Amino acid sequence: DTGVSQDPRHKITKRGQNVTFRCDPISEHNRLYWYRQTLGQGPEFLTYFQNEAQLEKSRLLSDRFSAERPKGSFSTLEIQRTEQGDSAMYLCASSRSGGRNTGELFFGEGSRLTVL
Amino acid sequence: AQRVTQPEKLLSVFKGAPVELKCNYSYSGSPELFWYVQYSRQRLQLLLRHISRESIKGFTADLNKGETSFHLKKPFAQEEDSAMYYCAAWGSNSGYALNFGKGTSLLVTP
Repeated sequence: DTGVSQDPRHKITKRGQNVTFRCDPISEHNRLYWYRQTLGQGPEFLTYFQNEAQLEKSRLLSDRFSAERPKGSFSTLEIQRTEQGDSAMYLCASSRSGGRNTGELFFGEGSRLTVL
Repeated sequence: AQRVTQPEKLLSVFKGAPVELKCNYSYSGSPELFWYVQYSRQRLQLLLRHISRESIKGFTADLNKGETSFHLKKPFAQEEDSAMYYCAAWGSNSGYALNFGKGTSLLVTP
C-alpha cells in the first residue's frame, strides 16, 4: 500500500468550468476527509465520510462543491462553475476505523487547482 | 469560536539551539492536541499527540490548560528539523473536524 493517493496532482482550468478530484484512501481506513489549503494557511476542513456516509460538511463547502464516496472506498470532490477563489491545494486524508479517533490522519500529496 | 493559533509564521534558529514553536487554542471542554509536520516535498504527517506524552525526533509538547497552550519544544535543533509545523486540535464538541493552525515554518541554519 502506497498510502493515500490523489488524482490529478495538478489541474489548470478556466473560470466557470467543472473539475473533479479523486482520492483513494488507505485500504483498511473507513474514515475519509477533504481539506483545502491556500497559501499561508493551514489545512481547512471541508467534509468527512465514515464509510459511504457523509457525516459532516463545513460551511466552506458551498453548493458548488459536492463530495461522494459511493462504495465507502474512493471519494470524489467536484467543483462546479469554478471561481478564481477556488484556486487551492485540495488534500485528502484517511484514518483508521473503530474506537476513539486517534487524531492520526494520513494525508495524500494533494491536488493543486489553478483557476484562470 | 474554536480556534488554533500559531503566532509565528517563520522561526529561524541556528543548529544546536533550542526551539520552541508556539500554539494556543480556544476550545470549550478538553480538546485533544496534535502537532503535524510537513517536510519539503513530503506529505503532511503526524509528529506527536498530547495524549501519548511521547517524544518524537527529540520533540516534546506539553499541554498547559491554564494558558491554553501546546508549545512544541526541542532542546537542540538539527538542520533536518527544517519544515512546516502545524498545531491541530480535536474538540469533543466540534464534530469530526481536526482543526489546524496556520503553521510555522522552522528554518534551522548551520
